[in-house]
Amino acid sequence: EVNLLESGGGLVQPGGSLRLSCAASGFTFSDYAMRWVRQAPGKGLEWVSGISGSGGSTYYADSVKGRFTISRDNSKNTLYLEMRLLRVDDTAFYYCVKDRYDFSPGGGLQVWGRGTTVAVSS
Amino acid sequence: DIQMTQSPPSLSASVGDRVTITCQASEDIRKFLHWYQQRPGEAPKPLIFDASNLEAGVPSRFSGGGSGTQFTFTISNLQPEDIATYFCQQSHILPLTFGGGTKVEIK
Repeated sequence: EVNLLESGGGLVQPGGSLRLSCAASGFTFSDYAMRWVRQAPGKGLEWVSGISGSGGSTYYADSVKGRFTISRDNSKNTLYLEMRLLRVDDTAFYYCVKDRYDFSPGGGLQVWGRGTTVAVSS
Repeated sequence: DIQMTQSPPSLSASVGDRVTITCQASEDIRKFLHWYQQRPGEAPKPLIFDASNLEAGVPSRFSGGGSGTQFTFTISNLQPEDIATYFCQQSHILPLTFGGGTKVEIK
């Protein structure tokens, strides 16, 4: 069974940093693109970042570019999101998501983790 | 960025009703439109990918259609467990963008 388990969320002050992790199991991790999607409290869904299966290509939403870094360790089946210079408007539930394919426009976001909460507040 | 306009924002229908949600893209996204269900307190669940393909294990009362800029999502026989918010999402061009969601309630 495919499973994604996020960790690393928490409460942080504005300007602070956090590192989210996503442990993947049940599939060949390196064969698939992975993404982070967030959802602010009571709001809709926002794509944050994506990374190809090899890790060689990365993409970011303008709202996080230059502050967040996505990476993956295929030997550990783990996805990461390093978040720096956090702002109040980064407060959200962060989901780790597996693509159906490796960075194809088709297929959609096939598997979602349960998410982890990031709260940025003074 | 491609804007996804989803309507209606909310709807209330009776058990057994046919419910249709629409999603309009601000430019041609071919068939790269996907639908998700999010129940309260849960992660989104994929229902339809590439406009009309049903995810494995999803009941056949859910269906999707359309291409280009106009897409529809239909629940043909609304059930109590379908109470949720439904989102569309395009993947034709980065950044991936989502519709604002449609909250479905039972009368």
